[in-house]
Parts: sequence; structure tokens; C-alpha cells
Amino acid sequence: DAGVIQSPRHEVTEMGQEVTLRCKPISGHDYLFWYRQTMMRGLELLIYFNNNVPIDDSGMPEDRFSAKMPNASFSTLKIQPSEPRDSAVYFCASSLAVKTTEAFFGQGTRLTVV
Amino acid sequence: AQKITQTQPGMFVQEKEAVTLDCTYDTSDQSYGLFWYKQPSSGEMIFLIYQGSYDEQNATEGRYSLNFQKARKSANLVISASQLGDSAMYFCAMTSTGANSKLTFGKGITLSVRP
Repeated sequence: DAGVIQSPRHEVTEMGQEVTLRCKPISGHDYLFWYRQTMMRGLELLIYFNNNVPIDDSGMPEDRFSAKMPNASFSTLKIQPSEPRDSAVYFCASSLAVKTTEAFFGQGTRLTVV
Repeated sequence: AQKITQTQPGMFVQEKEAVTLDCTYDTSDQSYGLFWYKQPSSGEMIFLIYQGSYDEQNATEGRYSLNFQKARKSANLVISASQLGDSAMYFCAMTSTGANSKLTFGKGITLSVRP
């Protein structure tokens, strides 16, 4: 398996624009996580899915953020409208059974909002 | 709610020596899992080691071992025979086996290995 695949790897956008980050989890993994990493706040869990269903979105910072998982092989994280403070590295991770096995991370998307 | 605490400032260790990275956690669940990840400067997240709360023995993976002290709620990572390539950020994480299986990370610790 190719691992967790995220796209794009880098994104530079202007404030106010819509940004969509994409993630393809490892086939067969039931759990999918979206994290945001910044120097100030570390690695924050934004939302996670189990079997395509959002379980906990308490980490989503504002209504400007939304995440979907239309099927087992694809998820998106959308920011609309984007703001400079959204600049961060966004990671997607998937896990077969997160309670007892590790989560595998994608390479991350580095988002810069100018 | 579960919480992971990593409070050490940047750590330094001499090459070939052992180093311990501290992690304490808080949870009301009886069953949970603890993880350590490494993040080198290139940015990827690399899984290192896992410890289940009911595991009687401390987990080991090559040069990595986890010093699990359940009563103290600590899960320290021990790296033996440090190598230059061990220089990275290290994150402790946990998940509970309750209904909410969120995987929560600590703030991380920066380790620098000196030649």
C-alpha cells in the first residue's frame, strides 16, 4: 500500500479564498483523523471519522472549517473563507484499530494564507 | 477527557548515550493505549512504540523502550545508544478504549543528539 496520501503538499492562497485539502487513507483502515500542527499550539486533533462517520469534531476551530468523508477512500478538509491564522501544516492519519494499533500519517499539507 | 503532558524543554544527549523523554497522561478510562511518534525535521510522523494499559511488560522496539508506570500515569520513552539520526521532535499520544477513540497528542519534546 502507498500509505496515507495527502494533496496538495503545499498550498499558498490569499485570505478569503476557499481551500480544500484532500486525503486518501490506507485501504481497510476504519479510522481517519485530521490534525493541524503549528509552533504555538502543537498537534491539534480537528476531527476524526470512524467508518466514514464523523465521531468527534470538537477540535474544529470555527464554522469556517468543514470535513467530509464521502467514502472509505477519500476525505476532505475545507476552509472557507481562509485567514492568515489558518496557516499551518495539516496532517491526515488513518488507523485500522486506533485503540490498539498505530495511526499512519500522511506527509502533510503545508498551508500558507497570505 | 484525556490529556497528555510533555513539559521537558529541549533535550540534549551525547551520541551513544541513553536518554529518557518524559510523558505523563490523564484519563478516567481503565483501558487505553499509549504511543510515541518521532517527527524529524523533514516533517513526517513516524510511529515508534505502543503500550497498552493492560500490558504487563514494558514495550520494547529495538533501541526504543517505554517505561510504563501505571500508578504514576507516566509513559516515558527511553532511547538507548543515541544516534545522530535520533535528533527530532518526539510526541507522546494516547487513545482510550471507550466510546470516543480520539488519538490525542502532547506538545512534543525536541531532542538533539551531539556527536
